[in-house]
Amino acid sequence: GQQLNQSPQSMFIQEGEDVSMNCTSSSIFNTWLWYKQDPGEGPVLLIALYKAGELTSNGRLTAQFGITRKDSFLNISASIPSDVGIYFCAGHTSGTYKYIFGTGTRLKVLA
Amino acid sequence: ETGVTQSPTHLIKTRGQQVTLRCSSQSGHNTVSWYQQALGQGPQFIFQYYREEENGRGNFPPRFSGLQFPNYSSELNVNALELDDSALYLCASSSGPKDQPQHFGDGTRLSIL
Repeated sequence: GQQLNQSPQSMFIQEGEDVSMNCTSSSIFNTWLWYKQDPGEGPVLLIALYKAGELTSNGRLTAQFGITRKDSFLNISASIPSDVGIYFCAGHTSGTYKYIFGTGTRLKVLA
Repeated sequence: ETGVTQSPTHLIKTRGQQVTLRCSSQSGHNTVSWYQQALGQGPQFIFQYYREEENGRGNFPPRFSGLQFPNYSSELNVNALELDDSALYLCASSSGPKDQPQHFGDGTRLSIL
């Protein structure tokens, strides 16, 4: 099935470092969502973006809706051990009924 | 506010059997979407239910079917189970059938022997 490309696929970082990840598509989206999934649990919604260029924060997390509408970015500042998990982006095209998910970025934080 | 709940949490079946998975939507949500998540992959859209009707479908065969009830809860039925159907099945509810954010349950882990 169709999946969006997320980069990097996985990353190890030191506690306290900032993290950046992105999601790219060949299609234009009108909505981007970012989720975090912990082992054995469902994805938890972090941030929703609705306009090209929009920058939205949720605590230490900041996400941006790319101006081309084909990409989105997620930044985590001052990472802590509980940031460990898999981060997924999801995009939605106007007039459709489904979200398309990315391949995920696996984040591991070294204390 | 009650979140999305799914049952059962785990299930083991054999090839050829049939299975029914259940989902209660978050309070205030009228739309349910089902996803299949294989190990190491992102969720893949199966179908969406809105107003008790299938509103859209992903690339899954007809042996994957569903229902939505008047209280907005939903079932996913899979017939003639195959080994490749082993996955985490996620239910997500939303306040509408379009681009409203979807909120997920913790899923049902289905293993096919």
